[in-house]
Amino acid sequence: GDSVTQMEGPVTLSEEAFLTINCTYTATGYPSLFWYVQYPGEGLQLLLKATKADDKGSNKGFEATYRKETTSFHLEKGSVQVSDSAVYFCALSAPNYQLIWGAGTKLIIKP
Amino acid sequence: DTAVSQTPKYLVTQMGNDKSIKCEQNLGHDTMYWYKQDSKKFLKIMFSYNNKELIINETVPNRFSPKSPDKAHLNLHINSLELGDSAVYFCASSQTGGNQETQYFGPGTRLLVL
Repeated sequence: GDSVTQMEGPVTLSEEAFLTINCTYTATGYPSLFWYVQYPGEGLQLLLKATKADDKGSNKGFEATYRKETTSFHLEKGSVQVSDSAVYFCALSAPNYQLIWGAGTKLIIKP
Repeated sequence: DTAVSQTPKYLVTQMGNDKSIKCEQNLGHDTMYWYKQDSKKFLKIMFSYNNKELIINETVPNRFSPKSPDKAHLNLHINSLELGDSAVYFCASSQTGGNQETQYFGPGTRLLVL
């Protein structure tokens, strides 16, 4: 069945470092791909999405490109801030209006 | 205006009790969900309703019963609470059709069973 694999956390970086969080997927068909972010004590919120191959989603300095050939949707940011500390979830769309979720990657940014 | 709201935000209760969590969305969406998030942040879908019809009913103990009185509301009732039910429960909603798969989440209900 469809699945999403994310790199395990926590990922710890210094402020202004470059961020990559890896996400790969297995799916039949052509799903949409998502990154959600969960700040401490809050619900999940959509960070960015891409609906077809080679699309790039971007928001708040974060980017991810839908790569069909490598079945990947890696999240990147050029210069992270302490306020980016959160848990990041990769997900793909599935039948029955579901999202298939990765396990989440905790990101810790140190000043 | 809050798009997806849940009540209560915190719930502390004894084993064996029965409790309910309520969810409301004012986005006009036709699909609503309940998720359970454990202490390691793993997210598990429990139920989903589309236009008040149950469409996803994952392997969840039958002590958990969802109810959707209308498209804007999805409540979760839990009977005979157990220690393992302690978690954060999230409600979410989405609109079907086109590329509208984005789900919008509530703030969560933190349930602690003692």
